Amino acid sequence: DAKTTQPNSMESNEEEPVHLPCNHSTISGTDYIHWYRQLPSQGPEYVIHGLTSNVNNRMASLAIAEDRKSSTLILHRATLRDAAVYYCILRPENSGYALNFGKGTSLLVTP
Amino acid sequence: GAVVSQHPSWVICKSGTSVKIECRSLDFQATTMFWYRQFPKQSLMLMATSNEGSKATYEQGVEKDKFLINHASLTLSTLTVTSAHPEDSSFYICSALRASAGNEQFFGPGTRLTVL
Repeated sequence: DAKTTQPNSMESNEEEPVHLPCNHSTISGTDYIHWYRQLPSQGPEYVIHGLTSNVNNRMASLAIAEDRKSSTLILHRATLRDAAVYYCILRPENSGYALNFGKGTSLLVTP
Repeated sequence: GAVVSQHPSWVICKSGTSVKIECRSLDFQATTMFWYRQFPKQSLMLMATSNEGSKATYEQGVEKDKFLINHASLTLSTLTVTSAHPEDSSFYICSALRASAGNEQFFGPGTRLTVL
């Protein structure tokens, strides 16, 4: 699997935007960029994914660099409930293989 | 989104006993499920791939005779930790592939196992 690199931790104030970066310089043309998050003592949950174009959903936005070697997950207004570990994972479309989790970024949100 | 459940959510057992953890896909059929474990302050580590009607595929370093996996139906996979020891204490998480959703992986809430 192509590798991703994320900062170990980030901190944000409540109600401010958060930009979580991910580097994936060895991404292949068929790899989708997936983001999952894991709240304390829970299983991971899907956040968003994309291939080339920027994507928006009710949880977040995903900005993908033109060369696809990096991406940024954007939480528009962080809340205390967004405190979690965020994982950036590359995965080919329709892959039947398990997601391979790296260390992710631990997001701390302060009031 | 699709729902995957795990039972129990937590379990405490004595060393040497066996513990069974269930993983169910509640609103879809899953021919493939995965089992992960997560130690404190660490990421999820894949243990095995569970395929309905066939033997599970284990990752390197995971003892198949210790971690028994049964995927007898399209909605249920079980993980049995046999002769559990304190070092098996961990957070066990299952996930299920939903083919109708582009093989998206849906995760259960996890099971906290504590072996005394």
